[in-house]
Amino acid sequence: AQKVTQAQTEISVVEKEDVTLDCVYETRDTTYYLFWYKQPPSGELVFLIRRNSFDEQNEISGRYSWNFQKSTSSFNFTITASQVVDSAVYFCALSGFTSGTYKYIFGTGTRLKVLA
Amino acid sequence: NAGVTQTPKFQVLKTGQSMTLQCAQDMNHEYMSWYRQDPGMGLRLIHYSVGAGITDQGEVPNGYNVSRSTTEDFPLRLLSAAPSQTSVYFCASSYSGPQPQHFGDGTRLSIL
Repeated sequence: AQKVTQAQTEISVVEKEDVTLDCVYETRDTTYYLFWYKQPPSGELVFLIRRNSFDEQNEISGRYSWNFQKSTSSFNFTITASQVVDSAVYFCALSGFTSGTYKYIFGTGTRLKVLA
Repeated sequence: NAGVTQTPKFQVLKTGQSMTLQCAQDMNHEYMSWYRQDPGMGLRLIHYSVGAGITDQGEVPNGYNVSRSTTEDFPLRLLSAAPSQTSVYFCASSYSGPQPQHFGDGTRLSIL
């Protein structure tokens, strides 16, 4: 069965601190995709990144970086020099096809509070 | 360029009523999907479509119907509303697979 675990329910940091959000996944698929989304207090959902299971290269986009490690089934997200605007709930998600059926599983989210 | 447009933004229904949540996208995306988000939880996939005329069930399809007669539109129908369907509903589209990349603003639905 597919599963996504975001063990950190809530994290508080002071502005300019670095913060890492953890995501651990379970799947038996050999081909799958991993995602991160941001949901700010206003409620909209913002797509941040998609990574396929064959691409373990880390990615950096501005202050955001992602570390994908198949050996530990993890896809962690780091925000460098956090800002108040980063305050949001962040979701990790996993998708794949199992027995011909498309599955898409979200984690329960990590609420990040960045304090000024 | 509006992206993904959902209507209505808010709706209150009585148990047993039916209604349709509208979703339209103007990006010519083949893939569209519907999700519900309950308090303290991530999204759960209700139905998805990989192109006009093609739909399939997600994780929680019971009580919902969809159709995809055009690339642009993907309405979600509640057949007989139940209090358990109280939730926030998001429609999404993508150009590169069923996984959502562009979301609508959501519809907050309450069933009394």
